[in-house]
Amino acid sequence: QKEVEQNSGPLSVPEGAIASLNCTYSDRVSQSFFWYRQYSGKSPELIMSIYSNGDKEDGRFTAQLNKASQYVSLLIRDSQPSDSATYLCAVASGGYQKVTFGTGTKLQVIP
Amino acid sequence: GAVVSQHPSWVICKSGTSVKIECRSLDFQATTMFWYRQFPKQSLMLMATSNEGSKATYEQGVEKDKFLINHASLTLSTLTVTSAHPEDSSFYICSAPTGSVTEAFFGQGTRLTVV
Repeated sequence: QKEVEQNSGPLSVPEGAIASLNCTYSDRVSQSFFWYRQYSGKSPELIMSIYSNGDKEDGRFTAQLNKASQYVSLLIRDSQPSDSATYLCAVASGGYQKVTFGTGTKLQVIP
Repeated sequence: GAVVSQHPSWVICKSGTSVKIECRSLDFQATTMFWYRQFPKQSLMLMATSNEGSKATYEQGVEKDKFLINHASLTLSTLTVTSAHPEDSSFYICSAPTGSVTEAFFGQGTRLTVV
């Protein structure tokens, strides 16, 4: 059974702070890793994808992957109230087949 | 960018009736589409993989006779919830990989409420 674990939160951070979201996965052959943002009642939207160890930065977002530790994280710098949402970690063993989603971490950015 | 359109965005139906949900890829061809279900405060659970021109592949525990999937063209997949019951009330989401990248785009989702 492939598993993707996330802390459900809520994670509360003040506006302007760095939010750190974590995810662990059980399938060692996983190759593709995604972070999605989901607002209440809406579909997920892709924020970041990462495929190799290390950091990947895109604007205020940085994804970090450590395959040896089976760990992927998302850092949000200068957090804004509009970042308040549930963040889903998703893992795939190859391509976009059989993607497994975590249960999500709810982020609250306090103005 | 690639867009996936899902319709309707919400539907309320009576118990025992059937509901059809459409998923369209608007500017790309999708030989494969995925159907997910999401219950409140839970993650997305893959229900089935829709394959153009062939039968859908259902995940374990998903009743193929209850959740009918048709993928008759390269841009359209439909999910029909037959004989819906209140426990089928959920958020149904489709997604389609674009083919050139290892990512997929999601439809807007359909909130189904069975009363």
